[in-house]
Amino acid sequence: AQSVSQHNHHVILSEAASLELGCNYSYGGTVNLFWYVQYPGQHLQLLLKYFSGDPLVKGIKGFEAEFIKSKFSFNLRKPSVQWSDTAEYFCAVSEISSGSARQLTFGSGTQLTVLP
Amino acid sequence: DGGITQSPKYLFRKEGQNVTLSCEQNLNHDAMYWYRQDPGQGLRLIYYSQIVNDFQKGDIAEGYSVSREKKESFPLTVTSAQKNPTAFYLCASSNQPGRVFGYTFGSGTRLTVV
Repeated sequence: AQSVSQHNHHVILSEAASLELGCNYSYGGTVNLFWYVQYPGQHLQLLLKYFSGDPLVKGIKGFEAEFIKSKFSFNLRKPSVQWSDTAEYFCAVSEISSGSARQLTFGSGTQLTVLP
Repeated sequence: DGGITQSPKYLFRKEGQNVTLSCEQNLNHDAMYWYRQDPGQGLRLIYYSQIVNDFQKGDIAEGYSVSREKKESFPLTVTSAQKNPTAFYLCASSNQPGRVFGYTFGSGTRLTVV
């Protein structure tokens, strides 16, 4: 079965620091990749997604992610974090099999705390 | 505004009772999903439905049941057979079940067994 690993459970940064959150998945075939964010007390929101094409995707609020197929990775980055980026971040993967996408498998999440 | 409505926001259940969590969407999405969120474990899929009157078990379906009699509604029943039901439950929907373009999530129901 598909698995998604987020190795950083809790990351603490100061404002203006750079961010990189790791995400690795286990499926060897074609995948759709997503990063979701959950701000305190709010819904899960889509940050960005990758389906095909340019492996460097840009999302909302200055976030970007790079798909590296050879490493089965989809790491999330932001050059300069803000206090308002404090949230929990989830990586999610959907396998593409026989032209259809399976439902999303989520990682365990990374709690990001940005200190003012 | 289009979206997903989950109710209630908080739910308390006595041991041995069944409870039903509501999920309604007005997005005209075909597919709907139930996830359970526990600290440090991310979201785990309980059940999903890609079309009315059809649903499939996810990774942790034991102790749960669902129905999909209407396109806009996908209620989840947490039965007494679920050994550890205290958790945060999230409902989601998508408009492309065959090719997922991302889900829209509800605001969740926090279930506590007392």
